[in-house]
Amino acid sequence: KAGVTQTPRYLIKTRGQQVTLSCSPISGHRSVSWYQQTPGQGLQFLFEYFSETQRNKGNFPGRFSGRQFSNSRSEMNVSTLELGDSALYLCASSFSGVNTGELFFGEGSRLTVL
Amino acid sequence: GQNIDQPTEMTATEGAIVQINCTYQTSGFNGLFWYQQHAGEAPTFLSYNVLDGLEEKGRFSSFLSRSKGYSYLLLKELQMKDSASYLCAVSIGGSYIPTFGRGTSLIVHP
Repeated sequence: KAGVTQTPRYLIKTRGQQVTLSCSPISGHRSVSWYQQTPGQGLQFLFEYFSETQRNKGNFPGRFSGRQFSNSRSEMNVSTLELGDSALYLCASSFSGVNTGELFFGEGSRLTVL
Repeated sequence: GQNIDQPTEMTATEGAIVQINCTYQTSGFNGLFWYQQHAGEAPTFLSYNVLDGLEEKGRFSSFLSRSKGYSYLLLKELQMKDSASYLCAVSIGGSYIPTFGRGTSLIVHP
């Protein structure tokens, strides 16, 4: 079956702009979680959506938001971009949530903020 | 809060055995994950330990001691393709949010 698909794979933005990233989970998976990966901080949890509801949220400012649609596809948005937002953004899907153990990750969207 | 420590980098020889350690200090511990991430690729799941002890899965084994806040990933019969970053992550609290360490970059040389 198809894996987790993230688009776009690469993008470049400037400070102050906003960006929307998309994640299509594995068919049948209801949970989508988002992560920011940087060399300095490693992989950090942003939030989790399950059945269109945000179920968990990490310690990121309100500029980071997300949503999930009825088909389980998810988007995350970052507004008023800062240089420090440059990172690889990964999403992961699972059938019932981050507490079940195995997460299936997409290849990520690499964001560069200039 | 939670603190997860693992070595930044390790090197090993093809065919050898390597042990990657992970220590954590956290409250509300639920379980511990190991993921493998090749450069430029998505992390892939290796193991999830909830109870103390060793779990073996082919060439890879993972050990957990909850009382010591300690885990290790054991890789046997190393192959060149095992060169990757190995991420230790702890599931915490009622929400089970996974908290990741910064990863151990393993370099396997001939």
